Amino acid sequence: DAKTTQPPSMDCAEGRAANLPCNHSTISGNEYVYWYRQIHSQGPQYIIHGLKNNETNEMASLIITEDRKSSTLILPHATLRDTAVYYCIVRVANSGGSNYKLTFGKGTLLTVNP
Amino acid sequence: EADIYQTPRYLVIGTGKKITLECSQTMGHDKMYWYQQDPGMELHLIHYSYGVNSTEKGDLSSESTVSRIRTEHFPLTLESARPSHTSQYLCASSGTGNSPLHFGNGTRLTVT
Repeated sequence: DAKTTQPPSMDCAEGRAANLPCNHSTISGNEYVYWYRQIHSQGPQYIIHGLKNNETNEMASLIITEDRKSSTLILPHATLRDTAVYYCIVRVANSGGSNYKLTFGKGTLLTVNP
Repeated sequence: EADIYQTPRYLVIGTGKKITLECSQTMGHDKMYWYQQDPGMELHLIHYSYGVNSTEKGDLSSESTVSRIRTEHFPLTLESARPSHTSQYLCASSGTGNSPLHFGNGTRLTVT
């Protein structure tokens, strides 16, 4: 899997948009970008994923640059409950072997302040 | 929404005991995974399975073993627990193609 780089920590005011960046400059053409988050002591929670188009769901939006070398996860109106570690992961899909597994890095600790 | 269950949620056990951590999923997912995570640290993959009777070692070496006799069940066993096994163990499953992984809430193991 391609390596990703994320800032170790970020702060955001409650009610404001949280924009979490991720660099994946060595991403291959068939690798998807996945975002997960982990709230203290719980299992990671899937947020969103995409290949090259921007994606939006009820939790967040994912903006992928045209060259696909970086992406941004956007939480439009952050709440205190969004405080968590956010992981950006790239993974090949639709192929066999060991490529279905996810390799987690250190992620970004997002702290939402009142 | 995938349903994946891990038991027990917390386990405190003495050195030398044999333990089995349970993981079950109700979505019919072929692929299942075990991750290990120490407090404040990264998740490390220790075992995975692509289906019944298929198990593979993950990226991090572990003294634990796993079995996959049924699609929905992926238990992890430690034959002789040691204090170095103290950690959180997270189970996950995924479906076909680019389906995301869905995680359980983990088992927090303490070996005294």
